[in-house]
Amino acid sequence: DAMVIQNPRYQVTQFGKPVTLSCSQTLNHNVMYWYQQKSSQAPKLLFHYYDKDFNNEADTPDNFQSRRPNTSFCFLDIRSPGLGDAAMYLCATSRTGRYYGYTFGSGTRLTVV
Amino acid sequence: AQSVTQLGSHVSVSEGALVLLRCNYSSSVPPYLFWYVQYPNQGLQLLLKYTSAATLVKGINGFEAEFKKSETSFHLTKPSAHMSDAAEYFCAVSANTGNQFYFGTGTSLTVIP
Repeated sequence: DAMVIQNPRYQVTQFGKPVTLSCSQTLNHNVMYWYQQKSSQAPKLLFHYYDKDFNNEADTPDNFQSRRPNTSFCFLDIRSPGLGDAAMYLCATSRTGRYYGYTFGSGTRLTVV
Repeated sequence: AQSVTQLGSHVSVSEGALVLLRCNYSSSVPPYLFWYVQYPNQGLQLLLKYTSAATLVKGINGFEAEFKKSETSFHLTKPSAHMSDAAEYFCAVSANTGNQFYFGTGTSLTVIP
């Protein structure tokens, strides 16, 4: 089945130690998104790629970076995780156009110790 | 600008009772509206979407939603709640341009046996 896969499902990292979360898709969607979701809150868009074009949200901290080496893969790098970065990180994909919804991965739960 | 408001951050219903989750939207253009469900430690799953065809939209798991332009609403309903419906529900509207979504703050549904 075509899908969005996030690895790992659970990630524990140390305060200040760089961490990378990965997302892959078999849907061949040209748009990929990273969302941060804290407990009992709505997902918050961090950035998205429209093909290779990177679009950063204005309030996304510089501590968060992303890479999209090809259509299928997208990575979220947190350069120096703080305790406030503990959250669920969701990857989503879509085709171009308002009509299409997003397809989400199962998320990565990040714990910072 | 587009936005959605979900009234009631927590809703409790008895098993077998009607489920009604409220969503009101604001949009400067004809909206495309979506309902997503999120189970604990999972990503978001599309329940249904409105894309300007039929105003009554049927989705998965027995859910449906009715688009009412006069009330700027897109409420989610299910005639008979099951225990498995307990989850977080998000309403979303797609942006006027580009591919972004605007999520509501979510409604946590509890089903009481």
